[in-house]
Amino acid sequence: DAKTTQPTSMDCAEGRAANLPCNHSTISGNEYVYWYRQIHSQGPQYIIHGLKNNETNEMASLIITEDRKSSTLILPHATLRDTAVYYCIAGEYGNKLVFGAGTILRVKS
Amino acid sequence: DARVTQTPRHKVTEMGQEVTMRCQPILGHNTVFWYRQTMMQGLELLAYFRNRAPLDDSGMPKDRFSAEMPDATLATLKIQPSEPRDSAVYFCASGVAGGPFETQYFGPGTRLLVL
Repeated sequence: DAKTTQPTSMDCAEGRAANLPCNHSTISGNEYVYWYRQIHSQGPQYIIHGLKNNETNEMASLIITEDRKSSTLILPHATLRDTAVYYCIAGEYGNKLVFGAGTILRVKS
Repeated sequence: DARVTQTPRHKVTEMGQEVTMRCQPILGHNTVFWYRQTMMQGLELLAYFRNRAPLDDSGMPKDRFSAEMPDATLATLKIQPSEPRDSAVYFCASGVAGGPFETQYFGPGTRLLVL
């Protein structure tokens, strides 16, 4: 599985968009980009995934660069409840996902 | 709202005792994962099953850990004998294989403290 690199931590003002970057420069053609988050004391929660195209769901948007070497998770209107560790993972369909250290996102009022 | 359930939620035990953790995956999910999370190591995959068959348990210490799926509605993780270094949060997750992607739904975890 391709290795991903994320900033250790980020701050975001409540109500503003949170843009979380992820670098996956060694990603292979059949590896998806998955995003999960883990709110304190809870199990990780699936957010979104994508292969090539940008994706949007009720939680977030995923923007993948054309060369697929990086991506950005966008939380359009961050709230205090979005404070969590966000994991970016590159993995093949059907294979296990390897969680890294993630980005600690702190949403501040 | 279908959820993965785990029991017990908290467990305190003494070194040398057997610990059994249980997981009920979401109905219809055919893949079950066991993870361990500590401050030092982060979230580590211990083992996973598909259609109740073990696919990968390379992350699990074989001498003391065992994982099984007696039926499609129950997965178990046992530690015998337990050691203080096993203290961690153990998460179970379930998912559905067979589509163009696979997402995992995590349970609330079992917080284990071995004294």
